[in-house]
Amino acid sequence: GQNIDQPTEMTATEGAIVQINCTYQTSGFNGLFWYQQHAGEAPTFLSYNVLDGLEEKGRFSSFLSRSKGYSYLLLKELQMKDSASYLCAAMDYGQNFVFGPGTRLSVLP
Amino acid sequence: DAGVTQSPTHLIKTRGQHVTLRCSPISGHKSVSWYQQVLGQGPQFIFQYYEKEERGRGNFPDRFSARQFPNYSSELNVNALLLGDSALYLCASSSSGQGVTDTQYFGPGTRLTVL
Repeated sequence: GQNIDQPTEMTATEGAIVQINCTYQTSGFNGLFWYQQHAGEAPTFLSYNVLDGLEEKGRFSSFLSRSKGYSYLLLKELQMKDSASYLCAAMDYGQNFVFGPGTRLSVLP
Repeated sequence: DAGVTQSPTHLIKTRGQHVTLRCSPISGHKSVSWYQQVLGQGPQFIFQYYEKEERGRGNFPDRFSARQFPNYSSELNVNALLLGDSALYLCASSSSGQGVTDTQYFGPGTRLTVL
């Protein structure tokens, strides 16, 4: 079966670091994507991992362990505008995305 | 360059009616995927089209159908609408989707309300 699991909600303080975890099980694996979605808007692409390890992109980093079916998104120096839902999505061999339920992050002053 | 565009932005229909949603991919992109996102949940995959052929189908009833045109734009059709079809319908485009892992870029979505 296909299953993506991530926490439903998280809260963090402005300027802090937050790690959003994601575990996945898919029929074949062709990459792990993270998207940011502000309320009422479309998802926007943040990062992509297909090999094990850490990919850094400014304040955002994403990590993948294929053997563990595990990924995390790390957000540093949190800003109020980072308050959004963060979607973990695994791509299967059919080039189809399986999305998790999303993690709603609230950044407090 | 224009991103993925979708029309209409919002739509209100009643149960039993039919709806057609439209999507234009990013210029040069040949693959279009459709997703349904119910409030508070992640997007659920409906269809993927590449070069006018269906390449993937999610777990949705036959009331849902789609097609892709020679210019790579796409339509999603839903017949016999149910209250549960109320959702944000997202279209995403990618450059090839053929044996290559491509990032999918999303359009703004069409918010469908079924009364």
